[in-house]
Amino acid sequence: DTGVSQDPRHKITKRGQNVTFRCDPISEHNRLYWYRQTLGQGPEFLTYFQNEAQLEKSRLLSDRFSAERPKGSFSTLEIQRTEQGDSAMYLCATTPVEQYFGPGTRLTVT
Amino acid sequence: GQQVMQIPQYQHVQEGEDFTTYCNSSTTLSNIQWYKQRPGGHPVFLIQLVKSGEVKKQKRLTFQFGEAKKNSSLHITATQTTDVGTYFCAGGTSGTYKYIFGTGTRLKVLA
Repeated sequence: DTGVSQDPRHKITKRGQNVTFRCDPISEHNRLYWYRQTLGQGPEFLTYFQNEAQLEKSRLLSDRFSAERPKGSFSTLEIQRTEQGDSAMYLCATTPVEQYFGPGTRLTVT
Repeated sequence: GQQVMQIPQYQHVQEGEDFTTYCNSSTTLSNIQWYKQRPGGHPVFLIQLVKSGEVKKQKRLTFQFGEAKKNSSLHITATQTTDVGTYFCAGGTSGTYKYIFGTGTRLKVLA
């Protein structure tokens, strides 16, 4: 257990529905990453926060994806109008230098 | 765009044999991190290398960062069954906060 928690751990949704995931970081870590990982692949960068500011977002990320980190504490990742290709593990990591990953949210879009 | 490749993709070794995975970036890196992911688990940080030509050791693990800061390697001496998992490198570059993870090397250790 790294101290980073994610909720829910599993989410099954129908294509076209919206989903929201939550990440609770280690409290003293002001830097937070979201990644997406599919089977057999390495984590793919989605976005980066420093405190409440979203400083970088992957250019590969469609407009259906949005992330927030109000007050620089927990973060949420929302996917609108889900597609089957969104099925993946969504990982949150917080970091002073090394990245502490949460257990992830496994999304299945049917 | 920037790519980080790892070879080999898979490696099966007998317990006690050595193992090496290589990481190559298409662009110069500012630093490189290594992670281990067990089946069904999440990536766990192993080490960060920053300096050109840097070598760091952790017990049976030896990490190297190339002189040109475009490649890196992880060497495990005398593998054990607890070494099973997928090893990822993750490259950071100047001017961006993102890390690009490599394709990973899946290690299987046969007892």
